[in-house]
Amino acid sequence: EAGVVQSPRYKIIEKKQPVAFWCNPISGHNTLYWYLQNLGQGPELLIRYENEEAVDDSQLPKDRFSAERLKGVDSTLKIQPAELGDSAVYLCASSLVRGNTGELFFGEGSRLTVL
Amino acid sequence: QKEVEQDPGPLSVPEGAIVSLNCTYSNSAFQYFMWYRQYSRKGPELLMYTYSSGNKEDGRFTAQVDKSSKYISLFIRDSQPSDSATYLCAMSPQGAQKLVFGQGTRLTINP
Repeated sequence: EAGVVQSPRYKIIEKKQPVAFWCNPISGHNTLYWYLQNLGQGPELLIRYENEEAVDDSQLPKDRFSAERLKGVDSTLKIQPAELGDSAVYLCASSLVRGNTGELFFGEGSRLTVL
Repeated sequence: QKEVEQDPGPLSVPEGAIVSLNCTYSNSAFQYFMWYRQYSRKGPELLMYTYSSGNKEDGRFTAQVDKSSKYISLFIRDSQPSDSATYLCAMSPQGAQKLVFGQGTRLTINP
């Protein structure tokens, strides 16, 4: 079974440019998460989807960040315009809703460098 | 003050040693306690899961939760070089929906 797939793995852009990250969760997983991981820190939740509905986006900086999960499967996270402080790893994760023991399945992440 | 505190290390021990990793927390609503392992340039993967208080053992790994002290631990016995990674504690009042991660402890096992 394929795991969570993210692309691109690495992205280097100049500040004020837009960037987008894509995530394909594990088949059948209703819940999808986007996390931000700064260097030397633990992941921090940006947004959580239940199917196509964003049920927790309280930590998403909505002035420059947006996300969507069309048809309740793949998801895209966008930053426009990017700032120097956005340099980090953006992790996508998915999980089952029922019987949820707290296991998140993470992708390998998209590493963003803003110059 | 962060909800979850974890010593970032780095921690370096010889192969075969017993490793102890710890986290403290402040939110008494936390009921689910997990340890994730993250290899360099990879995503975290679940290592151990415990609900409420008590101990759980899985092979060389033992997780302990002391809710009265708001303290959780992960022990690794007979440590191997392949255990070298960053270990993240995580906890939640509601399964995976509200996970709060610690900073992570970077561990190196030297052959």
